Amino acid sequence: DAMVIQNPRYQVTQFGKPVTLSCSQTLNHNVMYWYQQKSSQAPKLLFHYYDKDFNNEADTPDNFQSRRPNTSFCFLDIRSPGLGDAAMYLCATSRDLPEHTQYFGPGTRLTVL
Amino acid sequence: AQSVTQPDIHITVSEGASLELRCNYSYGATPYLFWYVQSPGQGLQLLLKYFSGDTLVQGIKGFEAEFKRSQSSFNLRKPSVHWSDAAEYFCAVAGYGNKLVFGAGTILRVKS
Repeated sequence: DAMVIQNPRYQVTQFGKPVTLSCSQTLNHNVMYWYQQKSSQAPKLLFHYYDKDFNNEADTPDNFQSRRPNTSFCFLDIRSPGLGDAAMYLCATSRDLPEHTQYFGPGTRLTVL
Repeated sequence: AQSVTQPDIHITVSEGASLELRCNYSYGATPYLFWYVQSPGQGLQLLLKYFSGDTLVQGIKGFEAEFKRSQSSFNLRKPSVHWSDAAEYFCAVAGYGNKLVFGAGTILRVKS
């Protein structure tokens, strides 16, 4: 089945220690998104890639970076995680407009000690 | 700017009872509307979507939603709730570009 895969599902890091989260997709969608979701809140868009074109949200901290080496993979790098970065990180994909439907992966739960 | 309001933070229903989750949106043009479900510790699963055409949309797991332009609403319904439906439900509208605007979510509890 075509899907969105996130690894790892659970990630524990130390305060200030860089961490990378991974997302891959078999849907061949050209748009990929990263969301941060804190407890009992809606997902918050951090950035998205339209093909190789990177689109950052205005309020996304500089501490968060992303890479998309090819169509299938996208990475979220947190350069110096703080306690406030502990959250669920969701990856999603979609086709180009006018198709707006986003398909989500299972998420990575990040814990910062 | 687009916005989505889900007025109910929590809803509790008995197993076998009917369910309606409310969603109101604000959008200038014809909206693209979605309902997603999220079980604890999981990602978001698409239940159904409305782009155009028939205003009553059928989705997975026995859910349906009705688009009412005059009320700016897209309420989610299920005639008989199962214990496995307990989860958080998010309504969303497609915003400008490739973005989704989410409501705050409604947590559904099912009592046996």
